[in-house]
Amino acid sequence: ETGVTQTPRHLVMGMTNKKSLKCEQHLGHNAMYWYKQSAKKPLELMFVYNFKEQTENNSVPSRFSPECPNSSHLFLHLHTLQPEDSALYLCASSQPGGGADTQYFGPGTRLTVL
Amino acid sequence: AQTVTQSQPEMSVQEAETVTLSCTYDTSENNYYLFWYKQPPSRQMILVIRQEAYKQQNATENRFSVNFQKAAKSFSLKISDSQLGDTAMYFCAFMKHGHGNKLVFGAGTILRVKS
Repeated sequence: ETGVTQTPRHLVMGMTNKKSLKCEQHLGHNAMYWYKQSAKKPLELMFVYNFKEQTENNSVPSRFSPECPNSSHLFLHLHTLQPEDSALYLCASSQPGGGADTQYFGPGTRLTVL
Repeated sequence: AQTVTQSQPEMSVQEAETVTLSCTYDTSENNYYLFWYKQPPSRQMILVIRQEAYKQQNATENRFSVNFQKAAKSFSLKISDSQLGDTAMYFCAFMKHGHGNKLVFGAGTILRVKS
């Protein structure tokens, strides 16, 4: 596997379910990101991790819980979601340093909340 | 706060023709970076080109080039010799100088290349 991978690619869940999204990067990067892409809205940053430490939480509701056990893996734990949380969730990674960290994206997880 | 505006929701171009996508941004920063990303129907976001604000020379990557006007806060993308595979959503994005900084995206422009 190369680049940034995400699993599952598609997920349908009920409002009372608990599920997790997984992201893995094979680029040796030390920063990882979660973005939400909703229809007709710009991509919204959710969380940033630098060297496994969360450095940004963009006022995300607590029903979204990120976890970064190491620099290669990032999870997004989901519980008691709302239908408006249905969206494409994109993971990205970058290598801090040099002032401009180009972010490389995974293919995304298409989430549908019923 | 920074904002990025893409004023063209949709555009179309004939194969082999040239098309320009517009992007403007607002920032008080002097040191920053600008990006164009492409998201084909398969949804994998791919970096097309990036520009450092301190560089006056416009970035170029094969058929893709930018027209960066710092004073006007404008960053347009020109695609030459358009190909069917260029059909995608194109996002303009801004990043402040520094580690692990967030990308601020525009709303995107859907580009359709017609045969």
